Amino acid sequence: AQKVTQAQTEISVVEKEDVTLDCVYETRDTTYYLFWYKQPPSGELVFLIRRNSFDEQNEISGRYSWNFQKSTSSFNFTITASQVVDSAVYFCALSEYRDDKIIFGKGTRLHILP
Amino acid sequence: DTEVTQTPKHLVMGMTNKKSLKCEQHMGHRAMYWYKQKAKKPPELMFVYSYEKLSINESVPSRFSPECPNSSLLNLHLHALQPEDSALYLCASSQEWGGGGLAGVYEQFFGPGTRLTVL
Repeated sequence: AQKVTQAQTEISVVEKEDVTLDCVYETRDTTYYLFWYKQPPSGELVFLIRRNSFDEQNEISGRYSWNFQKSTSSFNFTITASQVVDSAVYFCALSEYRDDKIIFGKGTRLHILP
Repeated sequence: DTEVTQTPKHLVMGMTNKKSLKCEQHMGHRAMYWYKQKAKKPPELMFVYSYEKLSINESVPSRFSPECPNSSLLNLHLHALQPEDSALYLCASSQEWGGGGLAGVYEQFFGPGTRLTVL
């Protein structure tokens, strides 16, 4: 069965600090997709990134970067020079090739303190 | 227009009421979804519509009745709900739903949700 674990329930950092959100996944499939979504207090889920299992290249988008390591089944998300607007709940998610359903982790609530 | 809209934003209803949630997208997407999200929990899939046909029903109680009148519109009819049904109801859409292999190709766009309270 597929599973996504976000061990950090809640994180608080001071603005401008770097912060890494951890995500560990389990799947028996060799083809799968990983996602990160952001959910600000307004409630809307905002898509941030998707990665397929064959692409282990790390990705950087502005202050955001993602580290995908199949060897440890991890897909971690780092925010560099955090800002108050980054405060949100962040969900890591997994979808196996055989099934379009997206399974979300429990989320990490991130507080960026001014 | 990369927006999914949902109305109403908030809804309070009694257990004997009948109400409907509405979701709309104009991105030409052929797949639409309903998710339920309880406080401090991740979203849980309820229904998937593909080309206006119900493809997935995640064993949702019959007091929730989805409807897809056309490719842009998705409704969720509510009847005889329980207080435990209080939650944020999120709608999403994607270009396609393939039943396998396409979630990674077609991202899901989410609406802002309807916050439902059942008294």
